[in-house]
Order: sequence, then C-alpha cells, then structure tokens
Amino acid sequence: GAVVSQHPSWVICKSGTSVKIECRSLDFQATTMFWYRQFPKQSLMLMATSNEGSKATYEQGVEKDKFLINHASLTLSTLTVTSAHPEDSSFYICSARTGVGDEQFFGPGTRLTVL
Amino acid sequence: GESVGLHLPTLSVQEGDNSIINCAYSNSASDYFIWYKQESGKGPQFIIDIRSNMDKRQGQRVTVLLNKTVKHLSLQIAATQPGDSAVYFCAENKGSGYALNFGKGTSLLVTP
Repeated sequence: GAVVSQHPSWVICKSGTSVKIECRSLDFQATTMFWYRQFPKQSLMLMATSNEGSKATYEQGVEKDKFLINHASLTLSTLTVTSAHPEDSSFYICSARTGVGDEQFFGPGTRLTVL
Repeated sequence: GESVGLHLPTLSVQEGDNSIINCAYSNSASDYFIWYKQESGKGPQFIIDIRSNMDKRQGQRVTVLLNKTVKHLSLQIAATQPGDSAVYFCAENKGSGYALNFGKGTSLLVTP
C-alpha cells in the first residue's frame, strides 16, 4: 500500500516551453503533497507544500509564478514549470501524506532536461 | 576545479561488514527523524524512523541512534550487502506542516 506515482518519469523540452508533472497517490487519499527538487549529487530541497483544495505554500526562494502547483483532488497534484530554462533541469520528486502519522511516501521522481 | 556541494561524502565498506552513516541535524525543535535510501534515478525509500522521545530504534538489519544533546543521528547497517549500495539521507521534520528537511547525504559503496 501507500504507492505514489509520477508522470512522466522523464521529459526533455525546449527552453521557453512549459512542462507539467503529475503526482498521484494510487491507493490512498493524500491530504498533503510535497514537491522537492534535487540537483545532481545534492540533497532534496523542498519547493512547496500543497494541501488539497487550497493554495500551495512555497519555500523561500521558490518562484510561485514559475512553479505552478495544483492540488485539485485528494489523489492528484501537478507541478507546472513555466517558461522552462536550462537551469530548471533537475530531478523533481513528490511525496504524499495520508494524514495519519508523520510518514511521507515518495514518488519515483521525474527527470526534467531543458535544452 | 571542484564545485562546492557536488561531491557527496562516500563510505566504502566490504560486504559483510557493518556500516555506520552519520548525520547532524539543525533544528533542536524537530521531533521526528527518518533515514531514506536513494538509488540512482529513483525516489527516496523509507528505511527507519525515530521520534525524539527515543534514543534508539531497531529494524531489520538497521538501527537508528539519536543523540539530541549534540543533534546527531546515525544509521547502522549490519552485515552490509551489495544491494545496500546507494545514497543515504537523514531527514528531520521542519516543524508544523510535516515538511521534511533533508541532510546532505552519504554515498555507501559496498565492495565484494
């Protein structure tokens, strides 16, 4: 149980285009989802916290107009990287909480490469 | 030249030996700590967690030790196997909201 999926697993796009990444909780309802970014050989950095039906809370230094987060249902959150640039190339990982206990369940990640 | 932050600390152990991975955390108010294993190109995988009212917790082949006095966390892996080769991260809760703050990570390499 407690499986989180991400789609796509990898994406290559041209500079200036927008990319949408989906995060789904497959067998549970996620009251809260989190989006992280990980650059090569570095740790995961929290980008934003998303609660179903409300606006996401962004970490300091993360542009909310560039990284659009939508959490329209208890099983789906989306991250849209708008006007992507090469420096946005990274590994984007989501996680989800069931609302019971502290444990977060992580997705497999999405590798974004912006040319 | 080298760039700061692009090289993870590496621990190399022989198969069958015990491994100890250390982590210093920053927030004295954190009350929940987790160890994750991350293989290349994959998301973090939960290993074991511990709350601040405990100083030791054991799982299958793994033990987590928590020293709140010096804000130190360690992960011990018994009888390390080649499949344990991965990057290991400690994480602490950031306070309210359940978001996690991840440590820098340690690369564990198990040699036969």
